[in-house]
Amino acid sequence: NAGVTQTPKFRVLKTGQSMTLLCAQDMNHEYMYWYRQDPGMGLRLIHYSVGEGTTAKGEVPDGYNVSRLKKQNFLLGLESAAPSQTSVYFCASISGGSYNEQFFGPGTRLTVL
Amino acid sequence: DAKTTQPPSMDCAEGRAANLPCNHSTISGNEYVYWYRQIHSQGPQYIIHGLKNNETNEMASLIITEDRKSSTLILPHATLRDTAVYYCIALTNAGGTSYGKLTFGQGTILTVHP
Repeated sequence: NAGVTQTPKFRVLKTGQSMTLLCAQDMNHEYMYWYRQDPGMGLRLIHYSVGEGTTAKGEVPDGYNVSRLKKQNFLLGLESAAPSQTSVYFCASISGGSYNEQFFGPGTRLTVL
Repeated sequence: DAKTTQPPSMDCAEGRAANLPCNHSTISGNEYVYWYRQIHSQGPQYIIHGLKNNETNEMASLIITEDRKSSTLILPHATLRDTAVYYCIALTNAGGTSYGKLTFGQGTILTVHP
């Protein structure tokens, strides 16, 4: 199993550009999450999904949109990137049962100039 | 979810036990204590979790006080590879309304030195 994978690993955008980050998991997990981590800080939850076709806002959702059209994929979109969105983005997933070990991807480093 | 408090940094000699404390004085009866770590900008890694009883796995031991207001993560024989930021998180199980959402604080930077 590949676990949780993220595409791309690195990206540089100009202010106002758009992009989509892809998260994929091959563990048949129900719940998926997008977090961001700024330098020296802990991770903060952007959006999450508790099943295919569902999404919900986390702690810092502004400026981002998400979609979960397939159970194994969770997409994070930036419609108009801003320098404040420069961060490392982590995706995670769990089975949705009572056991709560979250599996994290390797992260995407995004710089917005 | 209950707020947790951890020391910002700790040091440990290689081969010795690392004891990382966490305070969670407002934890509710259905909240578990989870520990994750993050090694140098990698994705966080699950270590262990517990509710009331002490727990042990291949990575670590978790000691929870009887009143559940604090806990200690123990790495029995720390190695240089254990240098990381360790996060203590309290939350209800994923089957409840928390939906498994993790709230990360600043964590404890553990430095293991030779």
